Amino acid sequence: EAGVVQSPRYKIIEKKQPVAFWCNPISGHNTLYWYLQNLGQGPELLIRYENEEAVDDSQLPKDRFSAERLKGVDSTLKIQPAELGDSAVYLCASSLGPGDGYEQYFGPGTRLTVT
Amino acid sequence: DAKTTQPNSMESNEEEPVHLPCNHSTISGTDYIHWYRQLPSQGPEYVIHGLTSNVNNRMASLAIAEDRKSSTLILHRATLRDAAVYYCILRPGESGGTSYGKLTFGQGTILTVHP
Repeated sequence: EAGVVQSPRYKIIEKKQPVAFWCNPISGHNTLYWYLQNLGQGPELLIRYENEEAVDDSQLPKDRFSAERLKGVDSTLKIQPAELGDSAVYLCASSLGPGDGYEQYFGPGTRLTVT
Repeated sequence: DAKTTQPNSMESNEEEPVHLPCNHSTISGTDYIHWYRQLPSQGPEYVIHGLTSNVNNRMASLAIAEDRKSSTLILHRATLRDAAVYYCILRPGESGGTSYGKLTFGQGTILTVHP
């Protein structure tokens, strides 16, 4: 079974440019998560989707970050404009559901470098 | 969200058992104890979880203190592939409101395995 797929794996952009990350979750997983991981830190949740609905986006910086999950499958996370402090690894994860008993499966992440 | 405390780093020799401790003195009655690990350049992966009773699976064992204020992840025979950052996480149960099912990662324990 294929795991969570993310692309690109690496991205280098100049500050003030836009950038987008794509995630394809495991087939049948209704819950999708985007996390941000700074160097030496654990991942931090940005947004959680249940199917197409964003049910927890309290940690998403909405002035520059946006996300969508059309048709409840693939998802895109966008930053516009990017700032130097956005350099980090962006992880996507999926699970069958939000609750316990439903472990989260993580993709390899996209490493963003903003220069 | 209830917090966990883990040592910053631990070392082990290959084929020896490893006991990774975690303190969570503010755990609530409905919080599940989850362990994830993150190998270099990969996303986190689920290891094990439990509520009150000790748990075993193919990867590890989880020993939970009777008062649930601490737990220990046990790797019975460490291999070089077990070198990773191990995260102990309290995952809110159904009464956790908007935090239901949320994984809040700390800094984890960096496990080094020596040949």
